[in-house]
Amino acid sequence: AQTVTQSQPEMSVQEAETVTLSCTYDTSESDYYLFWYKQPPSRQMILVIRQEAYKQQNATENRFSVNFQKAAKSFSLKISDSQLGDAAMYFCAYRTPTEKLVFGKGTKLTVNP
Amino acid sequence: KAGVTQTPRYLIKTRGQQVTLSCSPISGHRSVSWYQQTPGQGLQFLFEYFSETQRNKGNFPGRFSGRQFSNSRSEMNVSTLELGDSALYLCASSLVRTSNTGELFFGEGSRLTVL
Repeated sequence: AQTVTQSQPEMSVQEAETVTLSCTYDTSESDYYLFWYKQPPSRQMILVIRQEAYKQQNATENRFSVNFQKAAKSFSLKISDSQLGDAAMYFCAYRTPTEKLVFGKGTKLTVNP
Repeated sequence: KAGVTQTPRYLIKTRGQQVTLSCSPISGHRSVSWYQQTPGQGLQFLFEYFSETQRNKGNFPGRFSGRQFSNSRSEMNVSTLELGDSALYLCASSLVRTSNTGELFFGEGSRLTVL
């Protein structure tokens, strides 16, 4: 069974600094997709960034980038120039093309002014 | 374009009762998935519907059921409620089931409290 592990229940970062959230996953599949979702307090979950497993190049979306290590089954999220609006729960998720989305337990990110 | 709409947003029930939650996906989206979110277990997949057919199901007891209508709107039902069913129930829609973007669009959720 596929599992997703986020080992950091909580993280904090100073505004304008950089923070990295960790995620590891377990799968025997070769073709899959990885995602980071953000859930602000009392607001709906939104997609931050996604990575196709067959792509070696790490995905980047503005201040958000990932470090995808397929052999190590690691998928970390780096947030650069952190902003107060980045404060949220961040969920790492895994999905095969025809399967359900499996989420990690989440990391609560606090951004200090 | 309107987002995913879930109703009701909050509800309180007592043990033994049943509850029905509703989800209206983004216009044009044909796939609807349901997730249960609790502090202890995190986000757990309940089921996915596509074109009125259940395509995937998570590891929940038979008290949890759902359906999808021809307009893609979906409902989930929980019968014989237990205290442990207290959770935020999230609905998510996507354009097609096997979209290679895998992007789901989430609603704000229905928060169920069982007393």
